[in-house]
Amino acid sequence: DVKVTQSSRYLVKRTGEKVFLECVQDMDHENMFWYRQDPGLGLRLIYFSYDVKMKEKGDIPEGYSVSREKKERFSLILESASTNQTSMYLCASSLSGTGVEKLFFGSGTQLSVL
Amino acid sequence: DQQVKQNSPSLSVQEGRISILNCDYTNSMFDYFLWYKKYPAEGPTFLISISSIKDKNEDGRFTVFLNKSAKHLSLHIVPSQPGDSAVYFCAASVGSQGNLIFGKGTKLSVKP
Repeated sequence: DVKVTQSSRYLVKRTGEKVFLECVQDMDHENMFWYRQDPGLGLRLIYFSYDVKMKEKGDIPEGYSVSREKKERFSLILESASTNQTSMYLCASSLSGTGVEKLFFGSGTQLSVL
Repeated sequence: DQQVKQNSPSLSVQEGRISILNCDYTNSMFDYFLWYKKYPAEGPTFLISISSIKDKNEDGRFTVFLNKSAKHLSLHIVPSQPGDSAVYFCAASVGSQGNLIFGKGTKLSVKP
């Protein structure tokens, strides 16, 4: 079974802090994604990566950056956390060349910014 | 402007009855549609998909119908079970490998 692991289940940070959300997948997938889920807004794509050291902006990249130094790891960085970044963050991965239904999600990190 | 719309935030159904979840889209380039199910404290999991060359796809108790002219799809669950209680997300993409655009989700509650 594919496993997508997000390092923290719950995280509480203060406004202005730099926050790192880590995601690791164990199936040698090329593609990795970061989404955020908010009530009434669904899942929105923040950033994605098709290969090591590559990154592409999604629909809502403002206030975020990402790092993909190794194939299995995709980090989401909040440079200066703000209260409107309180959300559920979901990481996902897929194998290049496979259909979109082969997108596997982690369990999510619930981030609260106070 | 939202490209994938789920206009019902919640739906309550009696066990054994049919659940119908609806989804509308605005982008005529979308040609691949999926439904994901999400339980609390878990990531979404893929449920069923349909490409635009079909108007129906069935998998056990789950059937997805696609009406391209109306830009509308629906997920039917028959019979509904309490374990089906979850948030259901509709998603669409251009091509089977495009980035997914998700709807806001519909919370389904199946009462015993």
